[in-house]
Amino acid sequence: ETGVTQTPRHLVMGMTNKKSLKCEQHLGHNAMYWYKQSAKKPLELMFVYSLEERVENNSVPSRFSPECPNSSHLFLHLHTLQPEDSALYLCASSQALNAETQYFGPGTRLLVL
Amino acid sequence: GQNIDQPTEMTATEGAIVQINCTYQTSGFNGLFWYQQHAGEAPTFLSYNVLDGLEEKGRFSSFLSRSKGYSYLLLKELQMKDSASYLCAVIDDYKLSFGAGTTVTVRA
Repeated sequence: ETGVTQTPRHLVMGMTNKKSLKCEQHLGHNAMYWYKQSAKKPLELMFVYSLEERVENNSVPSRFSPECPNSSHLFLHLHTLQPEDSALYLCASSQALNAETQYFGPGTRLLVL
Repeated sequence: GQNIDQPTEMTATEGAIVQINCTYQTSGFNGLFWYQQHAGEAPTFLSYNVLDGLEEKGRFSSFLSRSKGYSYLLLKELQMKDSASYLCAVIDDYKLSFGAGTTVTVRA
């Protein structure tokens, strides 16, 4: 248990659906991250938030929309996804933004049909 | 761009030692992390090296040579529960760049 929780753990959605992934950290951290992990590929950084402000949007398609309402919660809103978006989506948090150890949640396994 | 290389798979026997190498070429460097990830679970932090040399933590040790762009993770006295993927990651400011991971299988 890393102190970072994610829901749902598994999600199957059609290409026309809208769904949201939720991440919550119980560590009092100020920075939160979304990563995508595809099979046999390195984790890819998607978004970074520090003190609820987005500091990084790593060329992610607009069909992925992040939201950080407070420093403990992070959402990833999904709409009109493609089958190639099927992957494990990992949330992480760190105490601060610079070169700090990041702690990961268990991820949401997403399948887009 | 960032380029981080590590072997895809390694197999070892219970009780043995395994060394997982990682080489990197990155535009910036503020340290190197090793994470362990069991199938279907979160990556968990193992080690962080920012200075050259060996960091030992129980059965796991991590080494860094910044001039060579090289690190290794050493797993001693392997146990069945050590079967997992091991991820090498370089941090530049706040951005973590990962290798594809090394799947270690421990056999009885």
